[in-house]
Amino acid sequence: QVQLVQSGTEVKKPGASVKITCKSSGFIFTDYYIHWVRQAPGQGLEWMGINDPGGEGTSHAQKFRDRVTMTGDSSSRTVYMELNSLRSEDTAVYYCVRDSGGSDGFDIWGQGTMVTVSS
Amino acid sequence: DIQMTQSPSAMSASVGDRVTITCRASQGISNYLAWFQQKPGKVPKRLIYATSSLQSGVPSRFSGSGSGTEFTLTINSLQPEDFATYYCLQHDTYPPSFGQGTKLEIK
Repeated sequence: QVQLVQSGTEVKKPGASVKITCKSSGFIFTDYYIHWVRQAPGQGLEWMGINDPGGEGTSHAQKFRDRVTMTGDSSSRTVYMELNSLRSEDTAVYYCVRDSGGSDGFDIWGQGTMVTVSS
Repeated sequence: DIQMTQSPSAMSASVGDRVTITCRASQGISNYLAWFQQKPGKVPKRLIYATSSLQSGVPSRFSGSGSGTEFTLTINSLQPEDFATYYCLQHDTYPPSFGQGTKLEIK
């Protein structure tokens, strides 16, 4: 079964870091890009960045560039997204999303990881 | 960066109605345009990809069209389960960008 399974809910204090995992199954891991998209409560969808498990690196939205790290591990078929210096505005559901790189991209979404940043 | 302006931001309609949602890109894009449906507390679900290709398993009352800077999602004969929020996404040019969403409510 083609799926992305994410790690569980996180509660963090302002200034802390969070690392979310996204484990793939059912497809060739290195054949697809993985995007990260987030959604704050009651808000729309926001693209954060992309990781290429095939080895071409990562690219991030400018607003996250100094705070986000995206990595992948082919041996465990897992992609990681770490967000540093958390603030209350980072409270959101974070999704990993598969993309073939073609016009049929963004087809498979993880179940989402809720991150709450609160003192 | 390409801005996707989605309209309307909210609308109400009745079961059986035909509904059209529009996304306008701030500059021309290819057919790398997708539409998603999201219900409260749920993961976005892709309905349409490549502007007009219907995702497997999605009812044929959903259709997409457009080119250049204007793209539309049409829902024919609205069903009760169609009341949700809809988003467009362009992934032609980096960074990918979503429309702000259209909340479709029951009249």
